Amino acid sequence: NAGVTQTPKFQVLKTGQSMTLQCAQDMNHEYMSWYRQDPGMGLRLIHYSVGAGITDQGEVPNGYNVSRSTTEDFPLRLLSAAPSQTSVYFCASNPLGVTEAFFGQGTRLTVV
Amino acid sequence: EDQVTQSPEALRLQEGESSSLNCSYTVSGLRGLFWYRQDPGKGPEFLFTLYSAGEEKEKERLKATLTKKESFLHITAPKPEDSATYLCAVPGGYGQNFVFGPGTRLSVLP
Repeated sequence: NAGVTQTPKFQVLKTGQSMTLQCAQDMNHEYMSWYRQDPGMGLRLIHYSVGAGITDQGEVPNGYNVSRSTTEDFPLRLLSAAPSQTSVYFCASNPLGVTEAFFGQGTRLTVV
Repeated sequence: EDQVTQSPEALRLQEGESSSLNCSYTVSGLRGLFWYRQDPGKGPEFLFTLYSAGEEKEKERLKATLTKKESFLHITAPKPEDSATYLCAVPGGYGQNFVFGPGTRLSVLP
């Protein structure tokens, strides 16, 4: 099992560009989520999904879109990148219920 | 509002020098206290879950304990490979997601 796989690992964008961060898991977990991690602020939830076709907003959803067409994939789209979106992004998955989350390796995004 | 704080922000230890990290939480109805380890450039990796006050869990040189308002991660005779950022989290916020603390960055010097 590969666990949770994120691509790319690094990305530089210009302000106003759009891009998609990919996330795939092979553990058949129903629950998937996206977090961003900024220095001194901990991990903050962007969007989450409880299953295919169902998504919802987290704490900091503005400027991001998600979709969940399959159990395995949960891409995060940046619509029009802004310097404030410079961060490290983590995708996570876990079974339904209060269980530990499994995280991907992260995508370090820089918006210039 | 659910909140998690951690102290200290950073900790430098000599190899073999034991210490403790603190995680304080404010939640309405604790459904578990989770500890993760995060190495530089990597995603968080699960260590422990504690569910009730008085509970303890151990893994190698790490022992996690829980009270009604805080959790401690005790590190006994640490080694340089224990250097990492340690995060604690509680279920809360949105859906079944977690509210994370900002982490404690631990450096163990040889």
